[in-house]
Amino acid sequence: DVVMTQTPPSLSVAIGQSVSISCKSSQSLVYSDGKTYLHWLLQSSGRSPKRLIYQVSNLDSGVPDRFSGTGSQKDFTLKISRVEAKDLGVYYCAQTTHFPLTFGSGTKLEIK
Amino acid sequence: EVQLVESGGGLVQPGRSLKLSCVASGFTFNNYWMTWIRQAPGKGLEWVASITNTGGSTYYPDSVKGRFTISRDNAKSTLYLQMNSLRSEDTATYYCTRFAYWGQGTLVTVSS
Repeated sequence: DVVMTQTPPSLSVAIGQSVSISCKSSQSLVYSDGKTYLHWLLQSSGRSPKRLIYQVSNLDSGVPDRFSGTGSQKDFTLKISRVEAKDLGVYYCAQTTHFPLTFGSGTKLEIK
Repeated sequence: EVQLVESGGGLVQPGRSLKLSCVASGFTFNNYWMTWIRQAPGKGLEWVASITNTGGSTYYPDSVKGRFTISRDNAKSTLYLQMNSLRSEDTATYYCTRFAYWGQGTLVTVSS
């Protein structure tokens, strides 16, 4: 199984600051079609998860460009610039390249 | 507007069965693979099952293989999860998703 190691487990940030979350996989996430199926999700308190970024760096519709995703192979990063109060919640990385599909353990973003 | 609406959750005794449903709308259901993801109380996300757009292939993690069955009725735009031989560790909120979109979840509690 692909193990997704996500760090840090929690972050406390002031409004307007920037933060980065790391996600490292135990295997390359490049699929046979050449694409990398690494995604980032946000789960706000009491809500369903919402996908923010798909295939490493593509923003879902309606997601502000304060969010960006980078990385390749086994090493990925989510960056949030100019953090806003509505960004708080738990962020997960997820890989859908290999079965079983697996998730990072989550990063809880709190606002100072 | 895309909607995924789960139903069928509830309290069930260990060893018993339960069937979840997810009605999809707002997109061409038979064009997409569909997936069930669960989240135990206070825990992270866990993949439960996936099915191809035609229903011709299904995929499961070892934790539910042989006990859970994912299926779909494309004519009704509905996804199902038949859960047999339920255990206490199956207690979770179950989400229907195609990753770009998620349902609100349905809570399954396995307890005597």
